[in-house]
Amino acid sequence: QSVLTQPPSVFGAPGQRVTISCAGSGSNIGAGYDVHWYQQLPGTAPKLLISGNSNRPSGVPDRFSGSKSGTSASLAITGLQSEDEADYYCQSYDSSLHSSVFGGGTKLTVL
Amino acid sequence: QVQLQEPGPGLVKPSETLSLTCTVSGDSISRSSHYWGWIRQPPGKGLEWIGSVYFSGSTYYNPSLKSRVTISVDTSDNHFSLSLTSVTAADTAVYFCARHLGNYGPIDVWGKGTTITVSS
Repeated sequence: QSVLTQPPSVFGAPGQRVTISCAGSGSNIGAGYDVHWYQQLPGTAPKLLISGNSNRPSGVPDRFSGSKSGTSASLAITGLQSEDEADYYCQSYDSSLHSSVFGGGTKLTVL
Repeated sequence: QVQLQEPGPGLVKPSETLSLTCTVSGDSISRSSHYWGWIRQPPGKGLEWIGSVYFSGSTYYNPSLKSRVTISVDTSDNHFSLSLTSVTAADTAVYFCARHLGNYGPIDVWGKGTTITVSS
């Protein structure tokens, strides 16, 4: 059971918009700690997609955006493309555990 | 360009100690804004943060692994290491070394990962 809860899977057609949620609690996201998002293509290391809740590192398309509200965060992907098919993970810090924590991951399938 | 490399033994026997070293190139491990950490991913499962180290030697561990984990840093050789004792089959995973920006910051550089199987 992950400290941060993500849906196991989401689906979308090419060109559509999907969102992936990351639900936390008052000791992590709700305590004000930043949320970061990673994309992991099959057989590769994760790649930083969104840092500090909503900041895109250089090279990440603006089709990817992040937001945070209360004890939750979301990743939105617009204009879905086949190459977006991957696993997506959120990450934050938990003050009760004194530890960085990951969500369980969400598998995005582009139909 | 910053690169991290974490070659591993591949196979470790149950009850033994897993030792991995991450070699950093293109950056100094002593840069004050960065932490250096280990993350693992069991087959078909999600990411699990193991712990991190600062160049000063300060360490931060996942409480579920804390009793078995030691992460150390060697600034003269620009590498950091992971030691995980008393391994079991549950420790079978891909182990990644990584750089993150601040203790709560994002992981901006990842190693390619090394597959560790615990089996007799």
